[in-house]
Amino acid sequence: GAGVSQSPSNKVTEKGKDVELRCDPISGHTALYWYRQSLGQGLEFLIYFQGNSAPDKSGLPSDRFSAERTGGSVSTLTIQRTQQEDSAVYLCASSPSLAGNYNEQFFGPGTRLTVL
Amino acid sequence: SQQGEEDPQALSIQEGENATMNCSYKTSINNLQWYRQNSGRGLVHLILIRSNEREKHSGRLRVTLDTSKKSSSLLITASRAADTASYFCATATGGSYIPTFGRGTSLIVHP
Repeated sequence: GAGVSQSPSNKVTEKGKDVELRCDPISGHTALYWYRQSLGQGLEFLIYFQGNSAPDKSGLPSDRFSAERTGGSVSTLTIQRTQQEDSAVYLCASSPSLAGNYNEQFFGPGTRLTVL
Repeated sequence: SQQGEEDPQALSIQEGENATMNCSYKTSINNLQWYRQNSGRGLVHLILIRSNEREKHSGRLRVTLDTSKKSSSLLITASRAADTASYFCATATGGSYIPTFGRGTSLIVHP
């Protein structure tokens, strides 16, 4: 079946504008993660969804960042009033149901966001 | 700070040589995973090793885990130019389902 998909693949925006990034996880995966990766850096955790539970938002860097996951499937990451430091690759990953332990993550190709 | 830190930051070798990358972490883990990333895009899962395992193999990959030293190593044998990528370790601790990634090792394999 299809893997994790993300759209758009590239997004260029002007400082101060809002952007929406989309993630389509693998069908049936209950866990969904958003990460941010700046040039040459590791992955910075942003937010985690698991089934119908309240999301773990502990990684969101500011209140300009928000995310939702509708119907336990598609997720949208929204960045309001973008700043130049928001420029990065935003990666989404999904994972199958947990069995009491952390499982393999399946990553999408990412969205490269450039804020001018 | 990062839970997992890879070492070295960069590695350059010739095709056919072996490549060894290390990952050190600070707190007890449930498992440790290695991922590969090409061209700054999505990561691909390579191998998972659980805290009660010491060694795992997958094709040309060999992963070891030493919980007493809080470290893991990834060995790629008979490297190929196609192995050129960044390699990340990710650790999961306690009851957390949120893995922590290191900054990665950038591997370049020269043909």
